[in-house]
Amino acid sequence: GQNIDQPTEMTATEGAIVQINCTYQTSGFNGLFWYQQHAGEAPTFLSYNVLDGLEEKGRFSSFLSRSKGYSYLLLKELQMKDSASYLCAFSDSNYQLIWGAGTKLIIKP
Amino acid sequence: SQTIHQWPATLVQPVGSPLSLECTVEGTSNPNLYWYRQAAGRGLQLLFYSVGIGQISSEVPQNLSASRPQDRQFILSSKKLLLSDSGFYLCAWSVSGMDTGELFFGEGSRLTVL
Repeated sequence: GQNIDQPTEMTATEGAIVQINCTYQTSGFNGLFWYQQHAGEAPTFLSYNVLDGLEEKGRFSSFLSRSKGYSYLLLKELQMKDSASYLCAFSDSNYQLIWGAGTKLIIKP
Repeated sequence: SQTIHQWPATLVQPVGSPLSLECTVEGTSNPNLYWYRQAAGRGLQLLFYSVGIGQISSEVPQNLSASRPQDRQFILSSKKLLLSDSGFYLCAWSVSGMDTGELFFGEGSRLTVL
């Protein structure tokens, strides 16, 4: 079967670093996505990993290990505007996205 | 460039009333189209997806229906709303064929059923 899991909520301090983990199980895999969703708004694309390793994009980085079914999103130099939900999703053998429930990130001053 | 627009942004409807949410995509041809629902504090639930005109796949049995009368138009409907239909509805599109599967979302429609 298919499943995907990520923590429900995390809290971090402004200026710090936070890592949001995501684990998944699937027989068909065509990449791993991270989206950001602010309260009341639509999700917006952050990153896409299809090969193992780390992809860096400014303050945000995303890592993938296909053999372990594991990904993380790393946010550096946290800002208050980073308070949002972070959604992990993998693309299955039919290129359909399977979504995690999202991790609500709370940033404290 | 491609754009996606859905409306209305907000609506409050009584139980038993009908519903129609519309979504249009511009700047691309033959997109895959999706309707998702998101309950408060929850993840995305796929309701319907379509790979072409008149082709609708339903993921969750319910009192909602979807139609695709034109290539870039996707409509979500209900004849009689239930309280449980309240939520945040998102339309999305992706490139057809063997692309990554990346989804591009509309602005969302917040439905409150009273």
